Amino acid sequence: AQSVTQLGSHVSVSEGALVLLRCNYSSSVPPYLFWYVQYPNQGLQLLLKYTSAATLVKGINGFEAEFKKSETSFHLTKPSAHMSDAAEYFCAVSDIGSSNTGKLIFGQGTTLQVKP
Amino acid sequence: KAGVTQTPRYLIKTRGQQVTLSCSPISGHRSVSWYQQTPGQGLQFLFEYFSETQRNKGNFPGRFSGRQFSNSRSEMNVSTLELGDSALYLCASSLGLTGMNTEAFFGQGTRLTVV
Repeated sequence: AQSVTQLGSHVSVSEGALVLLRCNYSSSVPPYLFWYVQYPNQGLQLLLKYTSAATLVKGINGFEAEFKKSETSFHLTKPSAHMSDAAEYFCAVSDIGSSNTGKLIFGQGTTLQVKP
Repeated sequence: KAGVTQTPRYLIKTRGQQVTLSCSPISGHRSVSWYQQTPGQGLQFLFEYFSETQRNKGNFPGRFSGRQFSNSRSEMNVSTLELGDSALYLCASSLGLTGMNTEAFFGQGTRLTVV
């Protein structure tokens, strides 16, 4: 079964600093990978997705992620943090079952705190 | 276009009762998935419906059930509620089956509290 590990349940950065949120996956086949953001009392919003095209994926709000097969990683980065980036971030992998139906398997989430 | 609509947003129920949550997907989307989010277990997949058929099911007891109607709207039902069922229930819709190179759009969720 596929799984996702997010290293660090809490990450704190200063406004304007680099944001790095780590995600490692386990998969025996090339996966589809996603990053979602969740603001308090809201649902999940897709930031970006990897679907075996370019390994460097650009998303919304200045975020990007790089797929590294050798490291089974899909870390999320943003060059300069904004106060509005404070939220919880989830990495997810699609689990394509034997009947070719998919479900998303999520990591435990990383809360990003941005200090002024 | 309108997003994924979940009703109600908040719900308080007593142990032993049953509850029905509703999800209206984005117009044209045929897949609806349900997830449970709790502080301890995180986001866990409940089930997915596509064209009125359950296509995939997570590891939840039979008390959790769902269905999808011909207009793609979906409901999930939890019977004999337990305190541990308190959670945010999220619905996601997508054009095709979730994860198959299709984007899943999430609703704002229904916050269920069991007392």
